[in-house]
Amino acid sequence: AQSVAQPEDQVNVAEGNPLTVKCTYSVSGNPYLFWYVQYPNRGLQFLLKYITGDNLVKGSYGFEAEFNKSQTSFHLKKPSALVSDSALYFCAVRGGSYIPTFGRGTSLIVHP
Amino acid sequence: NAGVTQTPKFRILKIGQSMTLQCTQDMNHNYMYWYRQDPGMGLKLIYYSVGAGITDKGEVPNGYNVSRSTTEDFPLRLELAAPSQTSVYFCASNGLAGAADTQYFGPGTRLTVL
Repeated sequence: AQSVAQPEDQVNVAEGNPLTVKCTYSVSGNPYLFWYVQYPNRGLQFLLKYITGDNLVKGSYGFEAEFNKSQTSFHLKKPSALVSDSALYFCAVRGGSYIPTFGRGTSLIVHP
Repeated sequence: NAGVTQTPKFRILKIGQSMTLQCTQDMNHNYMYWYRQDPGMGLKLIYYSVGAGITDKGEVPNGYNVSRSTTEDFPLRLELAAPSQTSVYFCASNGLAGAADTQYFGPGTRLTVL
């Protein structure tokens, strides 16, 4: 079975400060890891994914994520947060199956 | 490309009524999914399909039915609406890369059952 944990329901950060949204996973075999963002009253939008190769993955809107196999983590980061980054963020994992498992989501609030 | 489209955007049903949530994608994707999203609970998979004529149950299929007669369309049917089905429903699709492929989501249907 595969699972994803997003340990923080909410992350608060001041604009201009770095942000981290945490994700840990459990899967048999090699993981395929994804981050999606959901703005209010919208569907989920793809941010970035890790399939193989470089552990640091760069994605849309200046976001990046680091794959850490030993810690089974895939934390989402951004060097300088914007108020417009405020949204709900979902981490997802796939093992060999094409059916993904999503985390419960983390609400990011960026304060001006 | 319109991507994944869903209709309606909003709907209020009375207990026991039925309705169909429509989902269409124009990316020629084989894989399609229906999720429900409840506050603080993430996404729960209801049904999925790997191609026209093939569907399978997800994590929470009770009270729902699906069909997949074409590659483009994947409607979700609620036969006897219950208050527990109040939720936001998302349709998603991805192509043939399988586990490595990115999912594309529709804008959602917000359903209230009273």
